[in-house]
Amino acid sequence: GQNIDQPTEMTATEGAIVQINCTYQTSGFNGLFWYQQHAGEAPTFLSYNVLDGLEEKGRFSSFLSRSKGYSYLLLKELQMKDSASYLCAVSPGYSTLTFGKGTMLLVSP
Amino acid sequence: GAGVSQSPSNKVTEKGKDVELRCDPISGHTALYWYRQSLGQGLEFLIYFQGNSAPDKSGLPSDRFSAERTGGSVSTLTIQRTQQEDSAVYLCASSSVTSTDTQYFGPGTRLTVL
Repeated sequence: GQNIDQPTEMTATEGAIVQINCTYQTSGFNGLFWYQQHAGEAPTFLSYNVLDGLEEKGRFSSFLSRSKGYSYLLLKELQMKDSASYLCAVSPGYSTLTFGKGTMLLVSP
Repeated sequence: GAGVSQSPSNKVTEKGKDVELRCDPISGHTALYWYRQSLGQGLEFLIYFQGNSAPDKSGLPSDRFSAERTGGSVSTLTIQRTQQEDSAVYLCASSSVTSTDTQYFGPGTRLTVL
């Protein structure tokens, strides 16, 4: 079976740094995605990791360790607009993605 | 169009009625996915279409759910004899080829079964 775990909720302060963790156990692995979803809106793509290491893209970075079944999304210089749900998703094969339940991030002033 | 579009944006129906949800993928994308998102739950995979291959229907929760994709483009998800537990947001996504390509999501259809 497929299992993806991430914290349900996190809170942080504007300007701070926050790390959202994701652990996975899947029957196969062809990459890990992070998506951002604002309330009432569609998920939008943030990052994709298929090899171990850190991928940096502006204020957002994503890390992957395949041997540990672990990834994190790092958000720097938090802004109020970063308040959203962050979805970790694994591609176990070539047909679809398996999503975690998402981490609701609340950024306060 | 520039992105994935879905219609209707909202659908309220009575228990036992059939509903059809439509998805228009990004032009040129050969892969199309349907997901369901219930309150407080993650995205649940329903069905996957890739080109002219037989669809992967492994995520459909019951035989009341079916989907088709005509001409390799527009897709329709049909739910027959709707039940209250079918109430959710139904999201469609498309990607260039496979699931290792970035999936682009539509705005979703919020289905409410009374």
